[in-house]
Amino acid sequence: DAKTTQPPSMDCAEGRAANLPCNHSTISGNEYVYWYRQIHSQGPQYIIHGLKNNETNEMASLIITEDRKSSTLILPHATLRDTAVYYCIAFSYGNKLVFGAGTILRVKS
Amino acid sequence: GAGVSQSPSNKVTEKGKDVELRCDPISGHTALYWYRQSLGQGLEFLIYFQGNSAPDKSGLPSDRFSAERTGGSVSTLTIQRTQQEDSAVYLCASTWGGLYEQYFGPGTRLTVT
Repeated sequence: DAKTTQPPSMDCAEGRAANLPCNHSTISGNEYVYWYRQIHSQGPQYIIHGLKNNETNEMASLIITEDRKSSTLILPHATLRDTAVYYCIAFSYGNKLVFGAGTILRVKS
Repeated sequence: GAGVSQSPSNKVTEKGKDVELRCDPISGHTALYWYRQSLGQGLEFLIYFQGNSAPDKSGLPSDRFSAERTGGSVSTLTIQRTQQEDSAVYLCASTWGGLYEQYFGPGTRLTVT
């Protein structure tokens, strides 16, 4: 699996958009970009995934650059409950999902 | 429907004892993962079961760790001769496999004294 690089931590004001970057410069053509998050003392939770096109669901939007070497997870209106560790993972069919260190997002009032 | 369940939720054991941790995946999910998470650390992959294929055991830290998945459903992670460094939260996740998302259980907190 391609290695991903994320900043160790970020802060965001409540009600503002949280933009979490991820670099995956060695991603291969068949690898998707997945995002999970882990709220304190809970198991991780799936957020969104994409291959080339931008994706949006009820939780977040995923913007993938045209060269697929980086992506951004956007939480449009962050709340205090969005404080968590966010994991960006490059994953392809037939492989195992492996979590890196992630980004600690702190949403502040 | 029911999610992934794990038991026990907490386990305290003495160094040197064996422990068994159980995971009940979501019905019909063909793939199952075990991870562990030490205090303040990220998730460490342990083992992966996919259907009837041989499990991927590449993440097991030592031969004291083993896991099985009976009937393609329930999985048991066994740690023999526990050591203090085995203390962690052990998380199980199940999925339809392929590109489907993983659903995680609440974890078992293991403390080795």
